Amino acid sequence: DAGVIQSPRHEVTEMGQEVTLRCKPISGHNSLFWYRQTMMRGLELLIYFNNNVPIDDSGMPEDRFSAKMPNASFSTLKIQPSEPRDSAVYFCASSYRGNSPLHFGNGTRLTVT
Amino acid sequence: GQNIDQPTEMTATEGAIVQINCTYQTSGFYGLSWYQQHDGGAPTFLSYNGLDGLEETGRFSSFLSRSDSYGYLPLQELQMKDSASYFCAAPPLVFGKGTRLSVIA
Repeated sequence: DAGVIQSPRHEVTEMGQEVTLRCKPISGHNSLFWYRQTMMRGLELLIYFNNNVPIDDSGMPEDRFSAKMPNASFSTLKIQPSEPRDSAVYFCASSYRGNSPLHFGNGTRLTVT
Repeated sequence: GQNIDQPTEMTATEGAIVQINCTYQTSGFYGLSWYQQHDGGAPTFLSYNGLDGLEETGRFSSFLSRSDSYGYLPLQELQMKDSASYFCAAPPLVFGKGTRLSVIA
């Protein structure tokens, strides 16, 4: 079991650039979640998918954020254009089903200058 | 609204016993989970309560009282490696801000 795999681990970009974060969930898990973690706001759920279908995206902060899950083994979170306030650690997590324990990836530390 | 409250910081000595408390106000409550996160790492699952009472999951246990909207995570025989942040959560939507536990010699 390779666990949830996220890439890249670190991303440094300039304001206005497009950023794409990637996630491969654990095989057989039906639910996938994107979280953002900052010191001020803690862990915030951005969006989650069930069987590749977005169920709740109310946590997506703005239209600059979008997420896709084209198949059961891959998801992306895109920020376009990026802003300095988007700097945070972004975690992807998967679970067997919605209320099962979450398995988190190692996160992507995003810095927007 | 949905909210989870837990202490911000705690300090304890090696070998001691501590209890991290959590109160919650959430809609559609399905249970309370606990996660541990070391600095620079990812949250990892510790324990889950779907029903009232004490639940034991390996080394970790957790308690839930639905009538009081309250739960806690007891940590026994603390070791230095237990220094981490502990999150109470009503997954998948709501996480507490975390309790930073420092274990000192």
